[in-house]
Amino acid sequence: DAGITQSPRHKVTETGTPVTLRCHQTENHRYMYWYRQDPGHGLRLIHYSYGVKDTDKGEVSDGYSVSRSKTEDFLLTLESATSSQTSVYFCATRSLADTDTQYFGPGTRLTVL
Amino acid sequence: SQQGEEDPQALSIQEGENATMNCSYKTSINNLQWYRQNSGRGLVHLILIRSNEREKHSGRLRVTLDTSKKSSSLLITASRAADTASYFCATDPFDTGRRALTFGSGTRLQVQP
Repeated sequence: DAGITQSPRHKVTETGTPVTLRCHQTENHRYMYWYRQDPGHGLRLIHYSYGVKDTDKGEVSDGYSVSRSKTEDFLLTLESATSSQTSVYFCATRSLADTDTQYFGPGTRLTVL
Repeated sequence: SQQGEEDPQALSIQEGENATMNCSYKTSINNLQWYRQNSGRGLVHLILIRSNEREKHSGRLRVTLDTSKKSSSLLITASRAADTASYFCATDPFDTGRRALTFGSGTRLQVQP
């Protein structure tokens, strides 16, 4: 799993509250990604980062922002959580040397009531 | 919609039988990858096939790629109960610089002991 941890692993929150999910990696991988997984949709890319302070949007970025101030940390923020953001969130990394394989974290299950 | 679409959505077989899953995609690719996800866990990389390859083997896994039909298949031979998981194909698109994979919605494989 390339030393990827996600925190928290489970979270229940209320509509309208801000939420921040953290992804931490110990492999010094350059690329980092946030996906969400919903039944029937597989994994969909929210945001990605190709270096410190370099981020860009994925297919389902509305309502999400990210920050990467250090190589090892990639934060995903829901500015004002909505019930449609109830999902399982996965962080992934990819190294510059081996750009073919993505390594995934264990996931964060977020429930927005 | 997802770049990759797996077929079937669910598959139930007996231990010792072979399992075949198919994936179709829409755009040109650098490579196609297959991942496994055990219940409640992150995705694990299984095998990668490049766009100039037609077949690849890894242990009990056999992957084929037909770029003219934009399709791939994953064959698991002599299945075991431990192979029970969801399997996802993921494409590495040719024309993006973000190096993010695009995932299909997955095939749920149940291997009965």
